[in-house]
Amino acid sequence: QSVLTQPPSVSGAPGQRVTISCTGSISNLGAGYDVHWYRQFPGNAPALLIYVNNNRPSGVPGRFSASKSGASASLTITGLQAEDEADYYCQSFDTNLSAWVFGGGTKVTVL
Amino acid sequence: EMQLVESGGGLVQPGGSLRLSCVGSDFTFNVHYMKWVRQAPGKGLEWLSYISDTGRTTKYADSVKGRITVSRDNTKKSLYLQMTSLRVEDTGVYYCARLGAWTPGTQFYDYAMDVWGRGTTVTVAS
Repeated sequence: QSVLTQPPSVSGAPGQRVTISCTGSISNLGAGYDVHWYRQFPGNAPALLIYVNNNRPSGVPGRFSASKSGASASLTITGLQAEDEADYYCQSFDTNLSAWVFGGGTKVTVL
Repeated sequence: EMQLVESGGGLVQPGGSLRLSCVGSDFTFNVHYMKWVRQAPGKGLEWLSYISDTGRTTKYADSVKGRITVSRDNTKKSLYLQMTSLRVEDTGVYYCARLGAWTPGTQFYDYAMDVWGRGTTVTVAS
């Protein structure tokens, strides 16, 4: 059971918009700690996709956007492409655990 | 190209020890905080440890506290993870990562991991 809750999977057709939720609590996202998003292709290391709630590192396409409100955050892929098939993880800090925590991960499938 | 390369993984018996290494290149290693993250087979990501730029401050996940020690040698641009009393459930891929993404005013606990190694595999089995 992850401290941050993500749906196990989401899917969409090419060109569609998909959103991945990340639900926390008052000890992490709700306490004001920032959320980051990582993408992991099968057999590869994770890679930073979004940092500090809604910032894209250079090289990340603009179709990836994210937001945070209260104890929840979301990652949106607009104009889904086949190459977006991967696992996506949210991550933050939890003050009760005094630990960095990840969501359980969401597998994105392009239909 | 900024890079982290892990090594030291392998097969070890339960109760055994391993020392993982992570070498950084093409960036100023000694100004960055670092973390170790692992991934059990078919599972998600789990944070294990954190170390400050100087090495003076460290933090550990409860699941490994007392069994692992993180350290660094900035002269060698290297990060280490000493693991003891290994258990079957410690099996997985171990990644080192640089804390290098933040916005002005962000505190260290909100820094993101912007450079990751490819990982080294640890298998604990008899």
